[in-house]
Amino acid sequence: NAGVTQTPKFQVLKTGQSMTLQCAQDMNHEYMSWYRQDPGMGLRLIHYSVGAGITDQGEVPNGYNVSRSTTEDFPLRLLSAAPSQTSVYFCASSYGGRAQETQYFGPGTRLLVL
Amino acid sequence: QQPVQSPQAVILREGEDAVINCSSSKALYSVHWYRQKHGEAPVFLMILLKGGEQKGHEKISASFNEKKQQSSLYLTASQLSYSGTYFCGTEISNSNYQLIWGAGTKLIIKP
Repeated sequence: NAGVTQTPKFQVLKTGQSMTLQCAQDMNHEYMSWYRQDPGMGLRLIHYSVGAGITDQGEVPNGYNVSRSTTEDFPLRLLSAAPSQTSVYFCASSYGGRAQETQYFGPGTRLLVL
Repeated sequence: QQPVQSPQAVILREGEDAVINCSSSKALYSVHWYRQKHGEAPVFLMILLKGGEQKGHEKISASFNEKKQQSSLYLTASQLSYSGTYFCGTEISNSNYQLIWGAGTKLIIKP
């Protein structure tokens, strides 16, 4: 049981490049979410999904796209990277279809945009 | 809309007690507490639901005052392993499945 896995662990991008951050969970969780964490600001929700085929925007969705074609996978796409997107990105999942459950976080992806 | 956590940081000696507060301007449905160690992912501590009781886990417990829209996390007889940053995540009533997180409280435990 691997839990929540994220790849890559580290990434350096140039401004304007695009990339996909991968997130997968093997716990059959319905709810998955993406957060970014910046110093002194806690976690901010980017996008979330309450089940396969269903996604919605969080607090800071601009510049990011998501899709949920399977229960297991929830990739986050940066369309055109900007220095303001330099951050640590966490994927999380929880049983059931809402946030009112224990969230299990992945190890994070550290992204630097130059 | 972001809940306010206080204090921002606290330094304790091993064995001392600490209280971390989380206050929201919105009516809350639930409050979640997580601890994050440096360079690691946040780890779940407990959830407090509207209308629920005070929760506890070993020497870490929490309360939820719905009327004041506040939650407090109590760490008793702190251990070195308690060091880290504590975050509260709040679910606003009818929030449509989103958690809004505080900025965190950094706890340093010294021997």
